[in-house]
Amino acid sequence: GESVGLHLPTLSVQEGDNSIINCAYSNSASDYFIWYKQESGKGPQFIIDIRSNMDKRQGQRVTVLLNKTVKHLSLQIAATQPGDSAVYFCAENNRGGKLIFGQGTELSVKP
Amino acid sequence: DTGVSQNPRHKITKRGQNVTFRCDPISEHNRLYWYRQTLGQGPEFLTYFQNEAQLEKSRLLSDRFSAERPKGSFSTLEIQRTEQGDSAMYLCASSFPTADTQYFGPGTRLTVL
Repeated sequence: GESVGLHLPTLSVQEGDNSIINCAYSNSASDYFIWYKQESGKGPQFIIDIRSNMDKRQGQRVTVLLNKTVKHLSLQIAATQPGDSAVYFCAENNRGGKLIFGQGTELSVKP
Repeated sequence: DTGVSQNPRHKITKRGQNVTFRCDPISEHNRLYWYRQTLGQGPEFLTYFQNEAQLEKSRLLSDRFSAERPKGSFSTLEIQRTEQGDSAMYLCASSFPTADTQYFGPGTRLTVL
């Protein structure tokens, strides 16, 4: 797998490797975080979410880690597949209606 | 298909014209949100409704923009006197009021010539 620094817009991995996508959030009062996957020309698709009272949550092939101390969120994708190629956005919510999105990371999976 | 739907999917208009977009949320969802997304950026919040009440509007929503949800079901977003800077993807999302997870529609791509 390959880890990227914060705010890096692209990540290229080999099919079958693990991917780690990082995100920094801005508001220490945010209590809900969510990862979306967006393919070209489509709307964001929900992947996984986590509340601030947790530090880890697992889904199918995906894991989200939350570090509130440094306001950092990461998305881990196991055994990355070509269909995982997309832009991934993290978003935060502070008990309000709106989501605040990060810049996004473009994941490219090489066969 | 029981997801969020948006119409039209694409709209090309000339500068100065008015455009209107429609969003149909997931049927059980009381909350409906509008976002705008430009190329290479994450979605930016514009406004949201709970039932027919508009609860919050972003400063991005200039007086040329108006959103309605008259019966608490579908919503419309109108842009008057369009400008080239309005070119973007307009996204709609919906959620339950007690849940934070927002589900997005496919978006309406607006191009202002």
